[in-house]
Amino acid sequence: GESVGLHLPTLSVQEGDNSIINCAYSNSASDYFIWYKQESGKGPQFIIDIRSNMDKRQGQRVTVLLNKTVKHLSLQIAATQPGDSAVYFCAEKVYSTLTFGKGTMLLVSP
Amino acid sequence: DAGVTQSPTHLIKTRGQQVTLRCSPKSGHDTVSWYQQALGQGPQFIFQYYEEEERQRGNFPDRFSGHQFPNYSSELNVNALLLGDSALYLCASSLKGISNQPQHFGDGTRLSIL
Repeated sequence: GESVGLHLPTLSVQEGDNSIINCAYSNSASDYFIWYKQESGKGPQFIIDIRSNMDKRQGQRVTVLLNKTVKHLSLQIAATQPGDSAVYFCAEKVYSTLTFGKGTMLLVSP
Repeated sequence: DAGVTQSPTHLIKTRGQQVTLRCSPKSGHDTVSWYQQALGQGPQFIFQYYEEEERQRGNFPDRFSGHQFPNYSSELNVNALLLGDSALYLCASSLKGISNQPQHFGDGTRLSIL
């Protein structure tokens, strides 16, 4: 079946660097995408979302880019901090339910 | 403003037993979704409740059932537990009628089957 997947299972960066986490999706009916951050022992925490009629959306230190042509989603984190260390999931919404990818672990070293 | 709360936080059961997990949605939300998250994996959708009825269901067997109460809280029941049911069970809430909004998650119940 169609699913959401991530290219990189682990990303290691230095504090202060910019981080880019990628995600591929395959369901052309998806109209809404969300990035979640999950810290150890906690539930997923909403970071930023984007609708399918947009290409880019910016938040505080985070930017999501959506390329519908190649069905690709990315999360950019500016000036990455140790507190950003977590597993990041992209999720796509189809008919009011969310489908998650496997996640990318972001490791930030000081 | 209380977020999504789940209980218990941890639970240990043996094969064949039954379990009930509980969830209270974020204040103002009326829709509850349940997810199963195996170790190292993303959450997998189990089902969604709105107006006390199951509205959507993922690819899970009938051993998984649920309920939603008039105050919007919800329960997830799993019968005849298998070792493979060991996972983190997450509850998420949202407000029906508002499309394209993020679901808010609780911190989950860690279920271990011995």
